[in-house]
Amino acid sequence: RKEVEQDPGPFNVPEGATVAFNCTYSNSASQSFFWYRQDCRKEPKLLMSVYSSGNEDGRFTAQLNRASQYISLLIRDSKLSDSATYLCVVNRGNTGFQKLVFGTGTRLLVSP
Amino acid sequence: ETGVTQTPRHLVMGMTNKKSLKCEQHLGHNAMYWYKQSAKKPLELMFVYNFKEQTENNSVPSRFSPECPNSSHLFLHLHTLQPEDSALYLCASSPGTTPEAFFGQGTRLTVV
Repeated sequence: RKEVEQDPGPFNVPEGATVAFNCTYSNSASQSFFWYRQDCRKEPKLLMSVYSSGNEDGRFTAQLNRASQYISLLIRDSKLSDSATYLCVVNRGNTGFQKLVFGTGTRLLVSP
Repeated sequence: ETGVTQTPRHLVMGMTNKKSLKCEQHLGHNAMYWYKQSAKKPLELMFVYNFKEQTENNSVPSRFSPECPNSSHLFLHLHTLQPEDSALYLCASSPGTTPEAFFGQGTRLTVV
Protein backbone atom coordinates (compact mmCIF):
# COMPACT_ATOMS: atom_id res chain seq x y z
CA ARG A 1 0.00 0.00 0.00
CA LYS A 2 1.30 3.47 -0.88
CA GLU A 3 1.96 5.76 2.04
CA VAL A 4 -0.08 8.55 0.43
CA GLU A 5 -2.95 7.54 -1.84
CA GLN A 6 -4.78 9.76 -4.29
CA ASP A 7 -7.21 9.20 -7.14
CA PRO A 8 -5.08 10.01 -10.21
CA GLY A 9 -8.07 11.34 -12.18
CA PRO A 10 -8.26 13.13 -14.48
CA PHE A 11 -11.18 15.13 -13.19
CA ASN A 12 -12.80 16.93 -16.13
CA VAL A 13 -15.02 19.80 -14.96
CA PRO A 14 -16.56 22.87 -16.59
CA GLU A 15 -15.63 26.37 -15.53
CA GLY A 16 -17.52 27.40 -12.41
CA ALA A 17 -17.87 23.89 -11.07
CA THR A 18 -16.96 22.77 -7.58
CA VAL A 19 -14.56 19.86 -7.37
CA ALA A 20 -13.20 17.89 -4.42
CA PHE A 21 -10.05 15.81 -4.15
CA ASN A 22 -9.41 13.23 -1.47
CA CYS A 23 -6.25 11.73 -0.08
CA THR A 24 -5.48 9.11 2.55
CA TYR A 25 -2.22 8.48 4.36
CA SER A 26 -1.06 5.40 6.18
CA ASN A 27 1.51 6.65 8.68
CA SER A 28 -0.23 7.88 11.81
CA ALA A 29 3.01 9.54 12.97
CA SER A 30 2.77 12.08 10.16
CA GLN A 31 3.29 15.58 11.49
CA SER A 32 1.93 18.03 8.95
CA PHE A 33 0.04 18.05 5.70
CA PHE A 34 -0.03 20.06 2.51
CA TRP A 35 -1.48 20.41 -0.92
CA TYR A 36 1.01 21.25 -3.67
CA ARG A 37 0.17 22.17 -7.24
CA GLN A 38 2.22 21.06 -10.24
CA ASP A 39 1.65 22.48 -13.70
CA CYS A 40 2.64 20.47 -16.73
CA ARG A 41 6.44 20.15 -16.99
CA LYS A 42 6.94 22.54 -14.08
CA GLU A 43 8.07 22.12 -10.48
CA PRO A 44 5.63 21.56 -7.60
CA LYS A 45 4.62 24.64 -5.63
CA LEU A 46 2.92 24.88 -2.27
CA LEU A 47 -0.80 25.59 -2.61
CA MET A 48 -1.75 25.48 1.06
CA SER A 49 -1.09 23.81 4.37
CA VAL A 50 -3.81 21.66 5.91
CA TYR A 51 -4.87 22.06 9.53
CA SER A 52 -7.13 19.95 11.71
CA SER A 53 -9.53 22.86 12.12
CA GLY A 54 -9.83 23.21 8.36
CA ASN A 55 -8.58 26.22 6.48
CA GLU A 56 -9.67 28.29 3.56
CA ASP A 57 -7.78 30.41 1.06
CA GLY A 58 -10.11 32.13 -1.36
CA ARG A 59 -11.79 29.47 -3.47
CA PHE A 60 -9.75 26.67 -1.89
CA THR A 61 -10.69 24.82 1.31
CA ALA A 62 -8.56 22.12 2.90
CA GLN A 63 -9.65 19.68 5.60
CA LEU A 64 -7.78 17.15 7.72
CA ASN A 65 -9.27 14.25 9.63
CA ARG A 66 -6.48 12.72 11.73
CA ALA A 67 -8.68 9.94 13.10
CA SER A 68 -9.49 8.71 9.59
CA GLN A 69 -6.08 9.75 8.18
CA TYR A 70 -7.86 11.60 5.43
CA ILE A 71 -7.17 14.93 3.73
CA SER A 72 -9.36 16.81 1.29
CA LEU A 73 -9.18 19.81 -1.01
CA LEU A 74 -12.26 21.61 -2.29
CA ILE A 75 -12.06 24.05 -5.18
CA ARG A 76 -15.09 26.28 -5.75
CA ASP A 77 -15.92 28.23 -8.91
CA SER A 78 -13.21 26.46 -10.96
CA LYS A 79 -11.16 28.55 -13.36
CA LEU A 80 -9.35 27.45 -16.50
CA SER A 81 -6.11 28.34 -14.72
CA ASP A 82 -6.85 25.76 -12.03
CA SER A 83 -5.99 23.01 -14.54
CA ALA A 84 -2.99 21.26 -13.01
CA THR A 85 -2.00 18.24 -10.96
CA TYR A 86 -2.72 18.52 -7.24
CA LEU A 87 -0.32 16.67 -4.98
CA CYS A 88 -1.24 15.54 -1.50
CA VAL A 89 1.85 15.76 0.70
CA VAL A 90 2.54 14.43 4.18
CA ASN A 91 5.50 15.43 6.32
CA ARG A 92 6.99 12.66 8.45
CA GLY A 93 9.82 14.80 9.74
CA ASN A 94 10.21 17.04 12.75
CA THR A 95 10.89 20.74 13.21
CA GLY A 96 14.17 21.59 11.54
CA PHE A 97 14.07 18.51 9.37
CA GLN A 98 11.32 17.53 7.05
CA LYS A 99 10.63 14.40 5.07
CA LEU A 100 7.89 15.11 2.59
CA VAL A 101 6.07 12.11 1.15
CA PHE A 102 4.13 12.85 -2.01
CA GLY A 103 1.07 11.22 -3.49
CA THR A 104 1.01 10.54 -7.23
CA GLY A 105 -1.25 13.55 -7.71
CA THR A 106 -4.76 14.15 -9.03
CA ARG A 107 -5.02 15.76 -12.43
CA LEU A 108 -7.66 18.44 -12.91
CA LEU A 109 -8.82 19.68 -16.30
CA VAL A 110 -11.14 22.68 -16.32
CA SER A 111 -12.83 23.30 -19.65
CA PRO A 112 -14.68 26.38 -20.99
CA GLU B 1 11.52 33.50 -10.81
CA THR B 2 12.54 30.70 -8.49
CA GLY B 3 14.88 31.02 -5.49
CA VAL B 4 16.16 27.53 -6.30
CA THR B 5 18.08 27.22 -9.57
CA GLN B 6 18.96 23.97 -11.26
CA THR B 7 21.32 23.38 -14.17
CA PRO B 8 21.20 21.99 -16.72
CA ARG B 9 17.48 22.01 -17.48
CA HIS B 10 17.84 19.12 -19.92
CA LEU B 11 20.51 16.43 -20.14
CA VAL B 12 20.96 13.47 -22.45
CA MET B 13 23.71 11.08 -21.49
CA GLY B 14 24.97 7.67 -22.46
CA MET B 15 25.18 4.83 -19.98
CA THR B 16 28.97 5.13 -19.78
CA ASN B 17 29.05 8.90 -19.27
CA LYS B 18 29.69 10.83 -16.08
CA LYS B 19 27.75 14.02 -15.53
CA SER B 20 26.70 16.26 -12.64
CA LEU B 21 23.50 18.10 -11.82
CA LYS B 22 23.81 21.38 -9.96
CA CYS B 23 21.41 23.09 -7.59
CA GLU B 24 21.77 26.50 -5.96
CA GLN B 25 19.41 28.14 -3.52
CA HIS B 26 19.34 31.86 -2.75
CA LEU B 27 16.86 31.63 0.13
CA GLY B 28 19.18 31.13 3.09
CA HIS B 29 17.67 27.73 3.84
CA ASN B 30 19.37 25.09 5.95
CA ALA B 31 18.08 21.97 4.28
CA MET B 32 18.37 20.77 0.69
CA TYR B 33 16.91 17.73 -1.04
CA TRP B 34 17.07 15.70 -4.21
CA TYR B 35 13.83 14.18 -5.51
CA LYS B 36 13.19 11.97 -8.53
CA GLN B 37 9.95 12.20 -10.49
CA SER B 38 9.23 9.43 -12.99
CA ALA B 39 6.15 9.22 -15.18
CA LYS B 40 3.04 8.09 -13.29
CA LYS B 41 4.97 7.73 -10.01
CA PRO B 42 5.00 10.00 -6.96
CA LEU B 43 8.00 12.16 -6.24
CA GLU B 44 10.62 10.00 -4.57
CA LEU B 45 12.91 11.48 -1.96
CA MET B 46 16.52 10.54 -2.73
CA PHE B 47 18.79 12.50 -0.39
CA VAL B 48 18.45 15.04 2.43
CA TYR B 49 21.12 17.44 3.65
CA ASN B 50 20.78 19.50 6.80
CA PHE B 51 23.47 22.12 7.41
CA LYS B 52 25.64 20.41 4.74
CA GLU B 53 25.42 17.03 6.47
CA GLN B 54 23.65 14.16 4.75
CA THR B 55 20.84 13.04 7.01
CA GLU B 56 19.05 10.69 4.69
CA ASN B 57 19.86 8.37 1.82
CA ASN B 58 16.65 6.73 0.71
CA SER B 59 18.22 3.47 -0.55
CA VAL B 60 19.49 5.20 -3.66
CA PRO B 61 21.87 3.19 -5.92
CA SER B 62 25.52 4.19 -5.69
CA ARG B 63 25.54 5.35 -9.31
CA PHE B 64 23.95 8.50 -7.83
CA SER B 65 26.38 10.39 -5.62
CA PRO B 66 25.35 13.62 -3.88
CA GLU B 67 27.67 16.38 -2.74
CA CYS B 68 26.86 19.41 -0.59
CA PRO B 69 29.89 21.72 -0.32
CA ASN B 70 27.93 24.42 1.53
CA SER B 71 24.35 25.12 2.54
CA SER B 72 23.62 26.95 -0.73
CA HIS B 73 24.83 24.37 -3.22
CA LEU B 74 23.94 20.77 -3.91
CA PHE B 75 25.25 18.47 -6.62
CA LEU B 76 24.17 15.08 -7.89
CA HIS B 77 26.98 13.21 -9.61
CA LEU B 78 25.86 10.59 -12.11
CA HIS B 79 27.84 7.68 -13.54
CA THR B 80 26.99 4.45 -15.38
CA LEU B 81 23.27 5.19 -15.31
CA GLN B 82 20.58 2.95 -16.74
CA PRO B 83 17.75 3.92 -19.12
CA GLU B 84 15.25 3.49 -16.26
CA ASP B 85 17.02 6.35 -14.47
CA SER B 86 15.54 8.73 -17.05
CA ALA B 87 13.31 11.09 -15.08
CA LEU B 88 12.87 14.64 -13.83
CA TYR B 89 15.31 15.33 -11.00
CA LEU B 90 14.13 18.05 -8.67
CA CYS B 91 16.13 19.91 -6.08
CA ALA B 92 14.35 21.55 -3.16
CA SER B 93 15.24 23.54 -0.07
CA SER B 94 13.46 24.33 3.16
CA PRO B 95 14.16 26.77 5.98
CA GLY B 96 14.07 24.19 8.74
CA THR B 97 11.62 26.23 10.80
CA THR B 98 8.73 25.22 8.57
CA PRO B 99 8.43 22.10 6.45
CA GLU B 100 7.45 23.89 3.24
CA ALA B 101 9.73 22.89 0.36
CA PHE B 102 10.74 25.24 -2.43
CA PHE B 103 11.56 23.43 -5.64
CA GLY B 104 13.85 24.22 -8.53
CA GLN B 105 12.55 23.77 -12.06
CA GLY B 106 14.24 20.41 -12.37
CA THR B 107 16.63 18.68 -14.74
CA ARG B 108 14.99 16.41 -17.26
CA LEU B 109 17.42 13.54 -17.68
CA THR B 110 17.38 11.05 -20.54
CA VAL B 111 19.75 8.09 -20.42
CA VAL B 112 20.36 6.47 -23.81
